Amino acid sequence: SQTIHQWPATLVQPVGSPLSLECTVEGTSNPNLYWYRQAAGRGLQLLFYSVGIGQISSEVPQNLSASRPQDRQFILSSKKLLLSDSGFYLCAWITRPIGGYTFGSGTRLTVV
Amino acid sequence: RKEVEQDPGPFNVPEGATVAFNCTYSNSASQSFFWYRQDCRKEPKLLMSVYSSGNEDGRFTAQLNRASQYISLLIRDSKLSDSATYLCVVNTVGGSQGNLIFGKGTKLSVKP
Repeated sequence: SQTIHQWPATLVQPVGSPLSLECTVEGTSNPNLYWYRQAAGRGLQLLFYSVGIGQISSEVPQNLSASRPQDRQFILSSKKLLLSDSGFYLCAWITRPIGGYTFGSGTRLTVV
Repeated sequence: RKEVEQDPGPFNVPEGATVAFNCTYSNSASQSFFWYRQDCRKEPKLLMSVYSSGNEDGRFTAQLNRASQYISLLIRDSKLSDSATYLCVVNTVGGSQGNLIFGKGTKLSVKP
């Protein structure tokens, strides 16, 4: 079966510290993968998407970066976190043939 | 005009009530439409796709009006467990946001 894994579930990090969030999918190959952020009380904001290994498209200029070192692995990183990076980070992949997204369970990041 | 607009609510209804949400989208080239449900502090989950002819899944009915560019979701016989935020989602081929655009959601609270 097709599943998506995301970790950690919760993270508290100090301002200026690095960040690495990992997302992996199983049961599919060459998926389109996405990173979204949802700030408190706000909608989903697309951060990055990837259509293949090493291919990253950035939607919003920011303090974050993404990488796709393997077909089913998508990583979100930051060298120095800001307070404004706090939020709920969600990884997703497109479920075919329907075309909707399946989301991972998310990482709730609080920068203090 | 925002790409996908929803009334944020909250909609406070008693158990057993019928409630309807509307959503408008700006891009007439949009091709696929979805309703997602998001529980508090959880990831969004696909509730149902929306087809041109309208579709029903138990107590839930989704309709699409391409001419007016709106999508609706009707919930009959509301249950306490229906309390959540409902996200309208539009898939636009060639769109810059990785092809899926999310509304900010409509919050539903079903009371006993």
